[in-house]
Amino acid sequence: SQQGEEDPQALSIQEGENATMNCSYKTSINNLQWYRQNSGRGLVHLILIRSNEREKHSGRLRVTLDTSKKSSSLLITASRAADTASYFCATAGRMEYGNKLVFGAGTILRVKS
Amino acid sequence: EAQVTQNPRYLITVTGKKLTVTCSQNMNHEYMSWYRQDPGLGLRQIYYSMNVEVTDKGDVPEGYKVSRKEKRNFPLILESPSPNQTSLYFCASSFGQASYEQYFGPGTRLTVT
Repeated sequence: SQQGEEDPQALSIQEGENATMNCSYKTSINNLQWYRQNSGRGLVHLILIRSNEREKHSGRLRVTLDTSKKSSSLLITASRAADTASYFCATAGRMEYGNKLVFGAGTILRVKS
Repeated sequence: EAQVTQNPRYLITVTGKKLTVTCSQNMNHEYMSWYRQDPGLGLRQIYYSMNVEVTDKGDVPEGYKVSRKEKRNFPLILESPSPNQTSLYFCASSFGQASYEQYFGPGTRLTVT
């Protein structure tokens, strides 16, 4: 069953603006990961946040995690045209739920130059 | 170069003709998995393997088989493909578990007519 759900489904912004994508999930997690996918290509890992962490930064990326609300957000600051891609959250659950990573349906980000 | 390779990259076949998609990684990863990606559904896990000779079902295993005879290889077998298996397939690998960063292959676009 699908664990993560992203919103919005699609987002269109101007270069230089910030982009925020949200992810909600249903069960307890070990960690939550964000991936980027350029059109039709393999996914690339962006950042991982553990269940006991609340915020994490990597370059222009900022990820927050609220386990009480079972939600996460990915903020991309000062966006560039090269950030145009699909972004997926993925949750790694407790081992009793199986050694699986479950992906959401993704947010399509378009950055206009 | 550390990578996950898949072959073939594109395949058009007919219903019922057995096929194998190969996956190989050169990072000595224990964990390998197969996903299919369909529009609006994100990535769904088909099978995963925690090590040689250890495989388990993901969320959508029906119609697929896998084997893990060597650590580096994890082929996906469709014994009798059907049109509903037309999809974009990704192989991924990581150290140890699903909760670790996943490295994805470039994808195999399969069309079953």
